Amino acid sequence: AQKVTQAQTEISVVEKEDVTLDCVYETRDTTYYLFWYKQPPSGELVFLIRRNSFDEQNEISGRYSWNFQKSTSSFNFTITASQVVDSAVYFCALDSWGKLQFGAGTQVVVTP
Amino acid sequence: DSGVTQTPKHLITATGQRVTLRCSPRSGDLSVYWYQQSLDQGLQFLIQYYNGEERAKGNILERFSAQQFPDLHSELNLSSLELGDSALYFCASSVGEAGGTETQYFGPGTRLLVL
Repeated sequence: AQKVTQAQTEISVVEKEDVTLDCVYETRDTTYYLFWYKQPPSGELVFLIRRNSFDEQNEISGRYSWNFQKSTSSFNFTITASQVVDSAVYFCALDSWGKLQFGAGTQVVVTP
Repeated sequence: DSGVTQTPKHLITATGQRVTLRCSPRSGDLSVYWYQQSLDQGLQFLIQYYNGEERAKGNILERFSAQQFPDLHSELNLSSLELGDSALYFCASSVGEAGGTETQYFGPGTRLLVL
């Protein structure tokens, strides 16, 4: 069975602080895909990144960076120099054959 | 804006009723997925259609059904509604059949409230 665990329910930071969101997954598949989505207060789900199981290179996109470690089944997400607009719920998801299995989400609250 | 549209944005109805949620995928996308987001269950995959055919099924209740039409829009029908069906229903789309090799882009969701 596949499972995604986001152990942090809520993280509160002050603007400009860095914040790291943890994601641990379980799967028996050798080929799989990992995703991060952002859900701002308005409610829509915004795609942030997709990573396949064969690509363990870390990725940076602006203030966002991702650390994929297959050995520990983790796909962590860091927001550097957080801003108020980063306040949202962030979901990690695992995909195998089209069904996205989401974690419970981590609420990030950034205060000025 | 993901390019996926969903109507209506909000829906309020009573227990026992039936509702239809509509989704139009991004231009060029052949797959449509439905998800339910509720406080107690989180985000759950319901069903996938690819080019009009059902491709994958998740935790979809028998009271729920979906279809994808020749113009590729999809409808999710919810019947005999119960209080516990109150949730945010998302539609997502992707280009091909195997969602894992591609990204699923989500619509804004339909918020259903069953009273």
